[in-house]
Amino acid sequence: GQQVMQIPQYQHVQEGEDFTTYCNSSTTLSNIQWYKQRPGGHPVFLIQLVKSGEVKKQKRLTFQFGEAKKNSSLHITATQTTDVGTYFCAGKRGAGSYQLTFGKGTKLSVIP
Amino acid sequence: DAGVIQSPRHEVTEMGQEVTLRCKPISGHDYLFWYRQTMMRGLELLIYFNNNVPIDDSGMPEDRFSAKMPNASFSTLKIQPSEPRDSAVYFCASSFSSHVTDSNYGYTFGSGTRLTVV
Repeated sequence: GQQVMQIPQYQHVQEGEDFTTYCNSSTTLSNIQWYKQRPGGHPVFLIQLVKSGEVKKQKRLTFQFGEAKKNSSLHITATQTTDVGTYFCAGKRGAGSYQLTFGKGTKLSVIP
Repeated sequence: DAGVIQSPRHEVTEMGQEVTLRCKPISGHDYLFWYRQTMMRGLELLIYFNNNVPIDDSGMPEDRFSAKMPNASFSTLKIQPSEPRDSAVYFCASSFSSHVTDSNYGYTFGSGTRLTVV
């Protein structure tokens, strides 16, 4: 079945440093979504990428979708303590698929 | 809209008891998903519905698990009998089919039910 691998599993950064998490799929994806889950909370949708090679920005967050639509990344510039949480990528396989397969997530800790 | 509403927030039950988790999706959303989250296995899709019809239940771990969606505004996930290994956080999520390729829309998750089976 489809697998979505995410690395690293954990990342500890000093406040102000940059952070990147990477996502790789064993199969070509139609779309990829990113979610953030705060400790004790629920996953909250951040963005969906659809096009090959797409790059989207949300303030300090930059999301990329690979040319082959099998990998993606999330980069946070100048982390803040409010960025703490687990970041998940989730892939959709077929063009009309509504089913998401989640990676295991990257847990980000920010040291003030 | 109040978002996806799940109840109860916490459930502690004894092994062998029946457990029912409830979910109210966002009004107008035509897809509903049940996920289970554990440290070991992460977020696993159990089952999903489209227009109240179950589409894929291949993630349901065993016959002890069942899910229903009697109408567009309500779904249940039942575990009977419950076992300690069922302890996890169970999330319900909903989405709208016309947003499938929209960059600004994804799943909306409920706050989850933390289930502990002792």
